[in-house]
Formats: sequence, C-alpha cells, structure tokens
Amino acid sequence: AQSVSQHNHHVILSEAASLELGCNYSYGGTVNLFWYVQYPGQHLQLLLKYFSGDPLVKGIKGFEAEFIKSKFSFNLRKPSVQWSDTAEYFCAVHGWGKLQFGAGTQVVVTP
Amino acid sequence: DTAVSQTPKYLVTQMGNDKSIKCEQNLGHDTMYWYKQDSKKFLKIMFSYNNKELIINETVPNRFSPKSPDKAHLNLHINSLELGDSAVYFCASSLGTALMNTEAFFGQGTRLTVV
Repeated sequence: AQSVSQHNHHVILSEAASLELGCNYSYGGTVNLFWYVQYPGQHLQLLLKYFSGDPLVKGIKGFEAEFIKSKFSFNLRKPSVQWSDTAEYFCAVHGWGKLQFGAGTQVVVTP
Repeated sequence: DTAVSQTPKYLVTQMGNDKSIKCEQNLGHDTMYWYKQDSKKFLKIMFSYNNKELIINETVPNRFSPKSPDKAHLNLHINSLELGDSAVYFCASSLGTALMNTEAFFGQGTRLTVV
C-alpha cells in the first residue's frame, strides 16, 4: 500500500536553531513530492516541490528539501528558524493519481 | 481574487441535519478534491473529480455525496450528520488527473462542528 511517513509528530526548538523534518514514502514508480505548511488557523500553502532534475530544491521562506531516491526520502530543512515558522508541516506525495499526505509535524519555535 | 474558495468558512449544526459545503476554483483546473482534516491534523483524501467525473472515492460513508456541476465547482453534501463528522474540510484543485508536474491549490477550509 502507498504511504507517506513523517518521522516526528512534534518538534520544539528555539529561534535560530536548525530544523530538519523527515519524510519517507513507499511508491514504486515516478512520484512528485511536496512540502506544505499550515499556519495556525489557516489553509495549506505550498513550501516547495520536486518534480525532476536537481534533487535539492529550494522553496519559500528559506526552506529547502532533498530528494534521495534510493532512500525514498524527501527531508525538509531550514538552517535557522524564526518564531514565525511555528506551524504544521505536511509532506505529500503524488503517485497513481492521488496526492497523499503524511500525518504532519507540528513545529513550535520558541523565542 | 481567491483561487480556491469554500463556503461557508464555519458551520455549526446539530446531529442528524443535512448540510452542504461549496467549493469553486477560478484557476482553470480540471481536477478538484475534497480532503478531511481531523482534530489531530491528519489530512485524508475523500474524493477527486476530473472534468465532473468521479475518479477517486476513498472509503467514505455514503452519507457524503460530492457533486460537480461543472469543472470549476465541487460541492460536498453530507446527510444525517454525526458527531464524528466534525473536522475541517479542505477543497483543492489541480491541473490534470495525474497531478504530475503540477501542484494542488487549497481552499481556506470549512470548519464543521456537529453538536
């Protein structure tokens, strides 16, 4: 069965700390990969996406993600977080006609 | 202009009632979706329509009935509402059924509370 796994459900860190959120998926064919962010009380917004080409993709607000095909992973990173990065982060994978989300990681950045 | 718009934003209703949530997109996309986000923030796809035709129907109670009058609209009707239906429902749209090399755009969500 196709699945998307996010390693951490909750992450708490201080401003200026580095952030890395793990995402693994289990699709056998070609996939498109996404990270979405949901700020408190808001809808999902696209942070970044990978379709093909350079496996290191850069998104908005200083986020980047690396696609490692051999590990079926698409981890999200940010070198230095800000308080405004407090949000829920969702990894999503498209394969076989369906966009499937991971369970989400709640990130809390303390001042 | 809002790309994907849902109405209403909030909906509070009693158990047993029937309610509808409307979704419209002005992006020219041909595929639309309904997702349910539960209290633990887990997002699960419910339905997907392409050019008014149902292409994905996950295991959803048949009390939920999507209707797509045209490719810019996908409404969700829910009969006999239950407490467990309380959630945030997100509409989304994308270009193409395969979603390959494209992204989904989401509406603001409809927070449904069944009391």
